[in-house]
Amino acid sequence: GENVEQHPSTLSVQEGDSAVIKCTYSDSASNYFPWYKQELGKRPQLIIDIRSNVGEKKDQRIAVTLNKTAKHFSLHITETQPEDSAVYFCAANSGGGADGLTFGKGTHLIIQP
Amino acid sequence: NAGVTQTPKFQVLKTGQSMTLQCAQDMNHEYMSWYRQDPGMGLRLIHYSVGAGITDQGEVPNGYNVSRSTTEDFPLRLLSAAPSQTSVYFCASRSGLSGTDTQYFGPGTRLTVL
Repeated sequence: GENVEQHPSTLSVQEGDSAVIKCTYSDSASNYFPWYKQELGKRPQLIIDIRSNVGEKKDQRIAVTLNKTAKHFSLHITETQPEDSAVYFCAANSGGGADGLTFGKGTHLIIQP
Repeated sequence: NAGVTQTPKFQVLKTGQSMTLQCAQDMNHEYMSWYRQDPGMGLRLIHYSVGAGITDQGEVPNGYNVSRSTTEDFPLRLLSAAPSQTSVYFCASRSGLSGTDTQYFGPGTRLTVL
């Protein structure tokens, strides 16, 4: 089955700086890579996703890059703000799709004022 | 639309008790699934369903049963609760059976087994 590794587990950045979270996956048939943000006590919320037919996707301050050859994808947040503080999860689907998502273990992003 | 809803929000059980976690969605989604979230472990898939009458096991199915009698509902049953099942449980749904469709999560049920 799919295995997703996520790094770092904790990331502390100064407000206004950029943050980068990296994930690797094992199943070469995976073709969908979403990122979820989870605030304390809340449900995971989709913030951006990328499908394997593109290498980069951007939505305002958030971008995701995908390298299918190396089997890794990354989340980039620019001009970080206090409200960006949360736990971020990357995920990948299994090649067949019906098996659901496999998640990384999460990155706790801390924005220092 | 209410989206994906779950009840109860919190539950405390004693070892050996049984209970059902409810999940419903009003988006007419074919695919529904259950995940558990433990500290430092991310979310792990318990069971999933690709439509009424069809269910299958995920990564961590032991100790849990599911059924799907309607498109809207996907309950998760704990037949004999164990302390290892203390966790936060999230139900999720997505519109299609393709693995590239967006998945939406319910608000979660926090379960403690004493």
